[in-house]
Amino acid sequence: AQSVAQPEDQVNVAEGNPLTVKCTYSVSGNPYLFWYVQYPNRGLQFLLKYITGDNLVKGSYGFEAEFNKSQTSFHLKKPSALVSDSALYFCAVSGTYKYIFGTGTRLKVLA
Amino acid sequence: SQTIHQWPATLVQPVGSPLSLECTVEGTSNPNLYWYRQAAGRGLQLLFYSVGIGQISSEVPQNLSASRPQDRQFILSSKKLLLSDSGFYLCAWRWTPNTGELFFGEGSRLTVL
Repeated sequence: AQSVAQPEDQVNVAEGNPLTVKCTYSVSGNPYLFWYVQYPNRGLQFLLKYITGDNLVKGSYGFEAEFNKSQTSFHLKKPSALVSDSALYFCAVSGTYKYIFGTGTRLKVLA
Repeated sequence: SQTIHQWPATLVQPVGSPLSLECTVEGTSNPNLYWYRQAAGRGLQLLFYSVGIGQISSEVPQNLSASRPQDRQFILSSKKLLLSDSGFYLCAWRWTPNTGELFFGEGSRLTVL
C-alpha cells in the first residue's frame, strides 16, 4: 500500500530564514509525489510534483522540493520564508487511481 | 480553461437528516473525480473516487454514498447524517494519467447538530 508521512505537526520559522517541511513516502514502483498548500477554509492548491528526472523540483511561489530515493523522502523547501507562507502543507502520493495525502504540517512564519 | 464548482459552501443539518453535496467540473472530459473529508483542519481522508460514469470506489465504510450520474458531476449523499459526519468536504478532479495533480473545489463545510 502507498503512504506518505509528515512527521511534524507544526514548523515555526522566522521570516527571511530558510524553511523545510518534511515528507517521507512508501510506495511500490515509481513514486509520483506532490506538495499542496491550504489556506484557512479553502481547497488545496498544487505547489509542485516529482514524476521523474531531476531530484530538485521547482514549483510555485518560490518553493522547491528535493526527491531522495535512498531516504524515501520528498522535503519541501524555500530559501527565504514569508509571513504569507503561513498555511497548512500536505504531501501526497499518487497511484493509478488513488491519491493519498499525509496528515499535514502547519507552517507558521514569524515576523 | 477548467473549473470546478462545489456547493453548498456551508451546511448545518440535524442528526438523521439527508445530505447531498454536489460537484461539477467544466472544461474537461472523463476526469478522475474524488471526494475527501477533512476533520478539524488536518488530514484528508479519501472517501470515494470515480474513474467514469457510474463507477464508484469506496474507501471507507460509512453511511455516505457517492454517485456519478454524468461525466463531470459527482454527488456525495447520505440518507441519515451522524454527528461524526461533520467536517470539511472537498471535491477534486484530475486528468486520467496518474502523474497529474489534483484540482480542488473550495469545499463544503458540514455541521451536524
